[in-house]
Amino acid sequence: NAGVTQTPKFQVLKTGQSMTLQCAQDMNHNSMYWYRQDPGMGLRLIYYSASEGTTDKGEVPNGYNVSRLNKREFSLRLESAAPSQTSVYFCASSPSSGAGGQIFQYFGAGTRLSVL
Amino acid sequence: AQSVTQPDIHITVSEGASLELRCNYSYGATPYLFWYVQSPGQGLQLLLKYFSGDTLVQGIKGFEAEFKRSQSSFNLRKPSVHWSDAAEYFCAAYNFNKFYFGSGTKLNVKP
Repeated sequence: NAGVTQTPKFQVLKTGQSMTLQCAQDMNHNSMYWYRQDPGMGLRLIYYSASEGTTDKGEVPNGYNVSRLNKREFSLRLESAAPSQTSVYFCASSPSSGAGGQIFQYFGAGTRLSVL
Repeated sequence: AQSVTQPDIHITVSEGASLELRCNYSYGATPYLFWYVQSPGQGLQLLLKYFSGDTLVQGIKGFEAEFKRSQSSFNLRKPSVHWSDAAEYFCAAYNFNKFYFGSGTKLNVKP
């Protein structure tokens, strides 16, 4: 059981290049999330998908797009990378977006992105 | 605005000493509350969570947290810290499909 798998683990881009960060979970979770982590700022939500077929903006969506390809996969795309997008990106999944004891998250190991 | 605050950026404790990490939240109603731990180069791991009921919740690795509604706090505690507890700790709250994270507290453990 791999949990949440993120690829790639490391990436260096030049300003203006595009790339897609991949995330897949094998726990049959309904909800998936993309965060960025910057020093001293905790995790900030970029986009989330409460269920297959839906996506919503989080706190810092500008410069990003997402696709919930199916229940397992949730990708994050940078169309034109900027140095301000240098960060560590985490994908997470959660069993449910509703109330109750199924509200918690599993995290991937992260993607370290540098934009030069 | 909804927010989670961790007032301590860095904390250093001696191995074997007790630990308390502070967390405050600002929401209209009681949100669901969590503590996560992040080791260097790793993702976040859930330590414990609070939804309702008993205000003292037990987690993994010997951690516990107490919810205090009157203080809007959810502080993490451990009676005796081990060197392997050195990591960064994040408090989080859940409300309306979203998780909100504090800025984190880095814990150093002195031998």
